[in-house]
Amino acid sequence: ETGVTQTPRHLVMGMTNKKSLKCEQHLGHNAMYWYKQSAKKPLELMFVYNFKEQTENNSVPSRFSPECPNSSHLFLHLHTLQPEDSALYLCASGPGLAGEPYNEQFFGPGTRLTVL
Amino acid sequence: KNQVEQSPQSLIILEGKNCTLQCNYTVSPFSNLRWYKQDTGRGPVSLTIMTFSENTKSNGRYTATLDADTKQSSLHITASQLSDSASYICVVSPYQTGANNLFFGTGTRLTVIP
Repeated sequence: ETGVTQTPRHLVMGMTNKKSLKCEQHLGHNAMYWYKQSAKKPLELMFVYNFKEQTENNSVPSRFSPECPNSSHLFLHLHTLQPEDSALYLCASGPGLAGEPYNEQFFGPGTRLTVL
Repeated sequence: KNQVEQSPQSLIILEGKNCTLQCNYTVSPFSNLRWYKQDTGRGPVSLTIMTFSENTKSNGRYTATLDADTKQSSLHITASQLSDSASYICVVSPYQTGANNLFFGTGTRLTVIP
């Protein structure tokens, strides 16, 4: 688990707050991902960065804003969230293309977000 | 529509018993299938990865099987332990150059009781 770290582990925020989630990977990977995990639903891919460039944005509301300053760090900036945004937010890193055989994605422990 | 369905949704077994979890998918064309274990409050951890040419793969007491013709996979856990209590997630990758998307099942919640 030390390969991908996330902070904070738990976050409670009001709908008018601004907060940021941080992810750091120590695995030398080129790709980083943000996922949302809600109860009884499959993981939802939110954003993908390859070599610091955003390559995918799966119709995520603009109240979620990602930032990837380098290949080891990934942020998710949050503002004016809604209660339905409460979920576990997982960061992952990997060598690159998910469709390639044996390309692994390594997940962080997640941030449990509660929006009041 | 690309989908991954897992069954059962939840399962309770006695410590020491075996169990089998199922995964059916419609993702096509298919590249590989992965099983992840997710402990409560933690991120998913990979157990096995199989390509279409592989029928079975083991990782300790975990054995995954794949039938690419029927688009079915199973994860068999032998001699279960309390530490096996977790969610098990089936993940399928499409064969698509440049793809970053994975298709996730909703998981099976396994509880092992003493």
